[in-house]
Amino acid sequence: EVQLVESGGGLVKPGRSLRLSCTGSGFIFGDYAMSWSRQAPGKGLEWVGLIRSTTYYGGTREYAASVKGRFTISRDDSKSIAYLQMNSLKTEDTAVYYCSTSMVTTHYFDYWAQGTLVTVSS
Amino acid sequence: EIVLTQSPATLSLSPGERATLSCRASQSVSSSLAWYQHKPGQVPRLLIYDASNRATGIPARFSGSGSGTDFTLTISSLEPEDFAVYYCQQRSFLYTFGPGTKVDIK
Repeated sequence: EVQLVESGGGLVKPGRSLRLSCTGSGFIFGDYAMSWSRQAPGKGLEWVGLIRSTTYYGGTREYAASVKGRFTISRDDSKSIAYLQMNSLKTEDTAVYYCSTSMVTTHYFDYWAQGTLVTVSS
Repeated sequence: EIVLTQSPATLSLSPGERATLSCRASQSVSSSLAWYQHKPGQVPRLLIYDASNRATGIPARFSGSGSGTDFTLTISSLEPEDFAVYYCQQRSFLYTFGPGTKVDIK
């Protein structure tokens, strides 16, 4: 059974850093892209970024303009974990963060983790 | 950046009625568009991908159409569990979600 489990959310002060983890199981982790999206309170979904498959695309990364230069996505395929390193956090980064992968449909987000809340507040 | 707009923002319907949701892209995305359903406290669920293909396990009452810049999600007869927020998403250039359409009970 394919599963994605997130961890690492919490309360953090503006300007500080936080790292989220997304652990996969039930599939060959290195073969699939991992994406991060978020939903701020009362708002819609926003794509944050992705890291492509190590096996097929060398683990290249893309980011939304709103987080580029502050957020970094990485992966450790030996542990089946994807990371979202968030630096210089702003209050507007407060959101539920979701990781997801594209297994069946290749490019769309067909498996999602449960989400983890990040609150940026002084 | 490709911007997606969705209309209407809210759709108030009764169970059994037909729902028609629209998504428009700021430039052509070909058929690289998906629809997701999102309920409070749950994770988003992929419904439709590549504009018109139903994802695994999605009931036949959900259908998608369109290409280029104009897309439609149709729910032929609303079931009680279909009241939710629906997002379109493009993957033609990176990814963008639309602002969502809330389908609520009339």
